[in-house]
Amino acid sequence: AQKVTQAQTEISVVEKEDVTLDCVYETRDTTYYLFWYKQPPSGELVFLIRRNSFDEQNEISGRYSWNFQKSTSSFNFTITASQVVDSAVYFCALSEWLRGYSTLTFGKGTMLLVSP
Amino acid sequence: SQTIHQWPATLVQPVGSPLSLECTVEGTSNPNLYWYRQAAGRGLQLLFYSVGIGQISSEVPQNLSASRPQDRQFILSSKKLLLSDSGFYLCAWSVAGSSTNEKLFFGSGTQLSVL
Repeated sequence: AQKVTQAQTEISVVEKEDVTLDCVYETRDTTYYLFWYKQPPSGELVFLIRRNSFDEQNEISGRYSWNFQKSTSSFNFTITASQVVDSAVYFCALSEWLRGYSTLTFGKGTMLLVSP
Repeated sequence: SQTIHQWPATLVQPVGSPLSLECTVEGTSNPNLYWYRQAAGRGLQLLFYSVGIGQISSEVPQNLSASRPQDRQFILSSKKLLLSDSGFYLCAWSVAGSSTNEKLFFGSGTQLSVL
């Protein structure tokens, strides 16, 4: 069975600090996709990034960057110069086949608190 | 553009009462639909998914049921709520098809408190 582990339950930083959220996954699939979602206090999950297992290039989007390392089965997420608006729960997820149907397996999430 | 609507936003129900949460998607046809529950530990657990009208698959045995009476409507129900049914329920959709690369689009969620 597939598994996604986010070992950090909660992280607290001060504004402008850099912070990295860890994600480790387990899968037997050779082709798979990894995702990060953000859940602000409003509750709705917001899609951040999707990465396929054949593309190990790191990606940067503004203050966000992702480090995918297949050798260690990790897909870590870094926020540079954090802001109060970054406070949220962040979920890492792995695509999964369920009886011929695609869905996502989520980690338990990391709560990020950014204080001014 | 596609949108997903989920209601109510919050609900407080007594133990033993029935439940009906509704989710509708607009702007797309034959979406894959999902119900997730987020319990106190914050993890997201897949409850049900559907690839078409009347086609429902359940991932965990439970007190809840789901139905898809129309292409873009997904309903989560219970005949008698339990305390353990409390949680944050999220509806989601993805593009129909057999690919593992499709992202999920989530509704705004329903906070259910069973007292």
